[in-house]
Amino acid sequence: NAGVTQTPKFRVLKTGQSMTLLCAQDMNHEYMYWYRQDPGMGLRLIHYSVGEGTTAKGEVPDGYNVSRLKKQNFLLGLESAAPSQTSVYFCASSYDYGGTQYFGPGTRLLVL
Amino acid sequence: SQQGEEDPQALSIQEGENATMNCSYKTSINNLQWYRQNSGRGLVHLILIRSNEREKHSGRLRVTLDTSKKSSSLLITASRAADTASYFCATLSDSWGKLQFGAGTQVVVTP
Repeated sequence: NAGVTQTPKFRVLKTGQSMTLLCAQDMNHEYMYWYRQDPGMGLRLIHYSVGEGTTAKGEVPDGYNVSRLKKQNFLLGLESAAPSQTSVYFCASSYDYGGTQYFGPGTRLLVL
Repeated sequence: SQQGEEDPQALSIQEGENATMNCSYKTSINNLQWYRQNSGRGLVHLILIRSNEREKHSGRLRVTLDTSKKSSSLLITASRAADTASYFCATLSDSWGKLQFGAGTQVVVTP
């Protein structure tokens, strides 16, 4: 039982490049979330999903897209990376709405 | 914008002492949660307290909630070096419907 895993752990991009962050959970959770964490800002919700095939915008969705084709996977895409997207990205999942969230180890992204 | 704000921003204590941190929020909530984050790691859930509850315990952790003051506190008793981490409160507000995290309290426990 791995919980929530994230791939990759660390990535360096040049401005304008694209990439996809992968989140996988093996707890059969319906709800999945993508956050970014910046110094002094806490975590901010980017996008979330309430089930397979559904996604919705969070607090800071601009510049990101997501997909949830399989229940266990939640992908976060950056189509054209910008330096402002340098951050640590966390994926989380939960069994019920508003309940305990289980977090992955994070992906550290540096955009030059 | 952040719903919850932790106070203090940083706390340094000796092993064996108690650590108290506070969280204030702005709008009515459904529940409030506390999480811990060790350096370079993901967040780990500690306690969830619902709006109709006033106090909860889990091991050496004690959480209180005062909805009239829109505030919560997390007490860690008999702290250990392993408690060194950042602690975040997160609120599920009735209006936003999703968890909102504060900026965290950085706790350092020295042996």
